Amino acid sequence: GAVVSQHPSWVICKSGTSVKIECRSLDFQATTMFWYRQFPKQSLMLMATSNEGSKATYEQGVEKDKFLINHASLTLSTLTVTSAHPEDSSFYICSAGLSITDTQYFGPGTRLTVL
Amino acid sequence: QKEVEQDPGPLSVPEGAIVSLNCTYSNSAFQYFMWYRQYSRKGPELLMYTYSSGNKEDGRFTAQVDKSSKYISLFIRDSQPSDSATYLCAMSLQGAQKLVFGQGTRLTINP
Repeated sequence: GAVVSQHPSWVICKSGTSVKIECRSLDFQATTMFWYRQFPKQSLMLMATSNEGSKATYEQGVEKDKFLINHASLTLSTLTVTSAHPEDSSFYICSAGLSITDTQYFGPGTRLTVL
Repeated sequence: QKEVEQDPGPLSVPEGAIVSLNCTYSNSAFQYFMWYRQYSRKGPELLMYTYSSGNKEDGRFTAQVDKSSKYISLFIRDSQPSDSATYLCAMSLQGAQKLVFGQGTRLTINP
């Protein structure tokens, strides 16, 4: 149980375009989802916390107008990278909070490459 | 000073050895402690989860939390090449909310 999926697993886009990444909790309902980014050989950096039906809470230094988060249902959150630039190239990982056991379960990640 | 300190390694041990991975932290309010395993180009996989102090065992894995010393450990017995990965410690104040991660330790088990 507690499976989280992400789509796509990898994406290549041109500079200036927007990219949407989906995060789904497959076998449980997640009131809270989290978005991270990870650079090579580094740990995960929390970008934002997404609560179903309300606005996301962004971490300091993360541009909310650039990284749009929508948490429309208890099983789906989306991250849209708007007007992507090469420096946005990274590994983006979502997780979902399973409140009963108080842990986070992570998706497989999405590798974004901006040309 | 980082909230959570973890030696990045790399750590290389022979197959069958006992592996000890550790993290220290500064915030005494942390209550939930996790260990995640991350293979290259994959998302982190939850290995162990502990609330407050104490030990927890699951197969070849044992997690220990010493809140008085602000120190947590993960032991891997009878290590296998398939255990080769990056191990991340994480902790939080309240359950699933806002995990603080260590830097991760790269572990290689040599056949």
